[in-house]
Amino acid sequence: NAGVTQTPKFRILKIGQSMTLQCTQDMNHNYMYWYRQDPGMGLKLIYYSVGAGITDKGEVPNGYNVSRSTTEDFPLRLELAAPSQTSVYFCASSSVNRVETQYFGPGTRLLVL
Amino acid sequence: DAKTTQPPSMDCAEGRAANLPCNHSTISGNEYVYWYRQIHSQGPQYIIHGLKNNETNEMASLIITEDRKSSTLILPHATLRDTAVYYCIVRVENNQGGKLIFGQGTELSVKP
Repeated sequence: NAGVTQTPKFRILKIGQSMTLQCTQDMNHNYMYWYRQDPGMGLKLIYYSVGAGITDKGEVPNGYNVSRSTTEDFPLRLELAAPSQTSVYFCASSSVNRVETQYFGPGTRLLVL
Repeated sequence: DAKTTQPPSMDCAEGRAANLPCNHSTISGNEYVYWYRQIHSQGPQYIIHGLKNNETNEMASLIITEDRKSSTLILPHATLRDTAVYYCIVRVENNQGGKLIFGQGTELSVKP
């Protein structure tokens, strides 16, 4: 199993540009999450999904959108990039157990200039 | 979910046990204690979790006090590769997903 994969690894955007961060997992996990991590800080939850077709907002959803058309994929969309969105983005997934653990991808480093 | 308090940083000598404390005085009866760590520039990695009994796996041991208001993660023989930020998280399972709320964590430096 590859686990959780994310693309791209690094991206520079200009203000106002849009992009999609890709996340794929091959563990058949129902739950998937997007976090962002600013320098020196802990992770903050952006959006999450409990299954295909179901998504919900986390702590910091403004400026982002998500979709979950399949169990495997959970893309994160930035429509109008702003400097405040410069961060490292982590995708994670977990199985539907009473006490689940999350498996994280390697992260996407985004710089908005 | 209950909040946690951890020291911002700790040092440990290589080969010695690293004991990382966490306070969670407002923990509810159905909240679990999770520990994750994040090595520089990598995604967080699950270490261990527990409800009220002490737990041990191949990576670490988790000691939870009887009143459940605090816990300690123990790395029995710390190596240089254990240098990382360690996050203590308490959360209750709900039917809207296993959201994790990360705090600042403890930056553990293992020194030769």
